Amino acid sequence: DTAVSQTPKYLVTQMGNDKSIKCEQNLGHDTMYWYKQDSKKFLKIMFSYNNKELIINETVPNRFSPKSPDKAHLNLHINSLELGDSAVYFCASSQELVNTEAFFGQGTRLTVV
Amino acid sequence: GDSVTQMEGPVTLSEEAFLTINCTYTATGYPSLFWYVQYPGEGLQLLLKATKADDKGSNKGFEATYRKETTSFHLEKGSVQVSDSAVYFCALRLNSGGSNYKLTFGKGTLLTVNP
Repeated sequence: DTAVSQTPKYLVTQMGNDKSIKCEQNLGHDTMYWYKQDSKKFLKIMFSYNNKELIINETVPNRFSPKSPDKAHLNLHINSLELGDSAVYFCASSQELVNTEAFFGQGTRLTVV
Repeated sequence: GDSVTQMEGPVTLSEEAFLTINCTYTATGYPSLFWYVQYPGEGLQLLLKATKADDKGSNKGFEATYRKETTSFHLEKGSVQVSDSAVYFCALRLNSGGSNYKLTFGKGTLLTVNP
């Protein structure tokens, strides 16, 4: 049973298109995240949600809109895709306690052409 | 703000060599510290963690000790294997308002182990 699953694993799309990435966790966690990993492997937080409430929005362009329909899901919608959006996007979840680790999905490799 | 600094890679070792990857942090409180590993084409997996000063995390022969006095959490392994080739990330999580709701990562260190 996959703990944090995200779909699709690969996404190739043209500039200007709108796309979504879905994420689901079956760990019963209250907190979910989206991270962006660039070509140099640097990981940067984009959003975090706790109990469906947006907690962190780290200067992400408005074209990125997360949606959390319930605690187990956190989807990422991207409008008007740009070449610079090409990256690997990771969904993760954790308990609220600070001494607990986050569990990561397998990543979605987005390529904008 | 909070930050994590890891030694720059890439690191290339021969099998059975000793590994150290340095990690230091800056935080306004007392964070929990983590090492994650990312194998090629995969997501991040927790390798080990320590949640308070002087704690030692260990897993799969890797270990790291939370040193508050030097704000460090260096990763070590006595004898690496080819299968340890991966990118290693040091991270912190801080109990301070919104910072509680994110992991802050270092830039990652690529380790390649040759047979």
